[in-house]
Amino acid sequence: KQEVTQIPAALSVPEGENLVLNCSFTDSAIYNLQWFRQDPGKGLTSLLLIQSSQREQTSGRLNASLDKSSGRSTLYIAASQPGDSATYLCAVRVTGGGNKLTFGTGTQLKVEL
Amino acid sequence: ETGVTQSPTHLIKTRGQQVTLRCSSQSGHNTVSWYQQALGQGPQFIFQYYREEENGRGNFPPRFSGLQFPNYSSELNVNALELDDSALYLCASSLGLGTGAMEETQYFGPGTRLLVL
Repeated sequence: KQEVTQIPAALSVPEGENLVLNCSFTDSAIYNLQWFRQDPGKGLTSLLLIQSSQREQTSGRLNASLDKSSGRSTLYIAASQPGDSATYLCAVRVTGGGNKLTFGTGTQLKVEL
Repeated sequence: ETGVTQSPTHLIKTRGQQVTLRCSSQSGHNTVSWYQQALGQGPQFIFQYYREEENGRGNFPPRFSGLQFPNYSSELNVNALELDDSALYLCASSLGLGTGAMEETQYFGPGTRLLVL
């Protein structure tokens, strides 16, 4: 059974700092991995999707990496801003599991002025 | 905005009642998935529908059921509500089941927050 873990559970940083969020998964037979953002009481917004054959994806100040063999992904946020404050969730789609996503419990990020 | 809408936004029910939650997918999206997110947890997969047929189910009892309609709308029905059913219910639509980021990317609605008393 696929299990996804995110560390740390919460993080508070000053504005402008670069930061890394971590995601690990137990079964390396994944099809892809996605990072989502969730604002309080809201739905999820897809940030980046990495196919199992890829090593990283970039969008603006965000860079996500994937090391399938070690079961790890990182989300790097450059020059953090207060608007980045949200919960960040990673989710994996397993091979042969349809388009079902298995989520981690998220990292709650607060970027302070 | 993802183009996926859900109704109602909030709902209060009592234990034992039945509830229907609704989702309107993006036009052209053949796949809809439903997730349950308890407070402080990640979303848990309930089930998925593809072209109006159930296409996979998570570890949820049969009192959780669904429907998908040809007009890209769908429903989640929960019978005999229990206190532990209190959660945010999210639906997500995607173009299909297949390969490629375009087909696979799931677009989530804002959710329905259900409170069972």
